Amino acid sequence: GENVEQHPSTLSVQEGDSAVIKCTYSDSASNYFPWYKQELGKRPQLIIDIRSNVGEKKDQRIAVTLNKTAKHFSLHITETQPEDSAVYFCAASSGTYKYIFGTGTRLKVLA
Amino acid sequence: DAGVIQSPRHEVTEMGQEVTLRCKPISGHDYLFWYRQTMMRGLELLIYFNNNVPIDDSGMPEDRFSAKMPNASFSTLKIQPSEPRDSAVYFCASSLTGGGLDGYTFGSGTRLTVV
Repeated sequence: GENVEQHPSTLSVQEGDSAVIKCTYSDSASNYFPWYKQELGKRPQLIIDIRSNVGEKKDQRIAVTLNKTAKHFSLHITETQPEDSAVYFCAASSGTYKYIFGTGTRLKVLA
Repeated sequence: DAGVIQSPRHEVTEMGQEVTLRCKPISGHDYLFWYRQTMMRGLELLIYFNNNVPIDDSGMPEDRFSAKMPNASFSTLKIQPSEPRDSAVYFCASSLTGGGLDGYTFGSGTRLTVV
């Protein structure tokens, strides 16, 4: 069945360093890949997304890359700050209603 | 826009009791989703509606769970009878399209504890 694998499950970085989270999807029809940030006790919030016709997208310190051939996509956060600490979820959608979510990465930025 | 509004924020109930969770989607959003989040299983889609009509309820765990959307601005998720394993955070989300072209907006969630 459809599946999204996400790694690592936990990630600790020093403030100012970069963080990379990787996801792999199984459904080759997937064409939309959002990333959500969930702070402790709060709702998941969309932080960036990418469509299959684009290889990379940036928004200030956040970037997402997509490799359709390999069926994987990654979230890159540069110059990390303590407020970046949260759980990050990737997801894949084939253009229908359903997102398949990854299992999440708990990012801790150490001051 | 106030976003997706869920109530209650927290619910503690005894096993066997009926629980009703409520959601008000963003006005104009045609799609409404109910998700359950647990440490073990992550984010699971339970059911989704399009224009108030349930489209896919294959994620609903069992007959104890039911969901309704009587109008475009209100949906409920009911568990009867509740069991301890139902303890989780339940999120409602809405979107303009089905999620293929834009992101979901999640509500703040209802943390359900069944004792």
